[in-house]
Amino acid sequence: EDQVTQSPEALRLQEGESSSLNCSYTVSGLRGLFWYRQDPGKGPEFLFTLYSAGEEKEKERLKATLTKKESFLHITAPKPEDSATYLCAVQAGDSNYQLIWGAGTKLIIKP
Amino acid sequence: NAGVTQTPKFRILKIGQSMTLQCTQDMNHNYMYWYRQDPGMGLKLIYYSVGAGITDKGEVPNGYNVSRSTTEDFPLRLELAAPSQTSVYFCASSYPIVQRGTYEQYFGPGTRLTVT
Repeated sequence: EDQVTQSPEALRLQEGESSSLNCSYTVSGLRGLFWYRQDPGKGPEFLFTLYSAGEEKEKERLKATLTKKESFLHITAPKPEDSATYLCAVQAGDSNYQLIWGAGTKLIIKP
Repeated sequence: NAGVTQTPKFRILKIGQSMTLQCTQDMNHNYMYWYRQDPGMGLKLIYYSVGAGITDKGEVPNGYNVSRSTTEDFPLRLELAAPSQTSVYFCASSYPIVQRGTYEQYFGPGTRLTVT
């Protein structure tokens, strides 16, 4: 069965303390892996798409990486405004439209 | 561009009542989706549409109906509301990354629905 698991469920960091969020996936072929950011009371906001193992993408303090089994979202020297829930989703090779979503990691950055 | 807009933002329904959640996008995307998000769970796909007049069931369609008469609008209808439908509902639209066979989805702000 295709599934996506994110860990940890919640992560509290001090401002400037770098860390990583994990997204493990099991799918029958990977067409794409997506990272989204969700602020409280708002809809998910698209961050990155990764397509193949070894690929990396960066945006400000965030860098996403991909292996054949998991993706990491590295956050470097985070600021309080980086606090949000980060969602991971995958599109399987045999799916044209449907994404399989993880439950998310709630990131809290304390000043 | 307003992107994806949803109304209402909040709604409380009594068991057995019906309502329509509205969704509009101004990005001329052919693909549109309805999701529900429950605490501690991943987003679940309710229905999706690949263009005007074409809709299909997602993972959790029971208790819901949709229609797509225009490219812009994709309303979600709840008939005979039940407490299990208490959730946050998100509408999304996407365009295809043709060379990759993937879709980047853009979400509305959500509707928080409580059924009591």
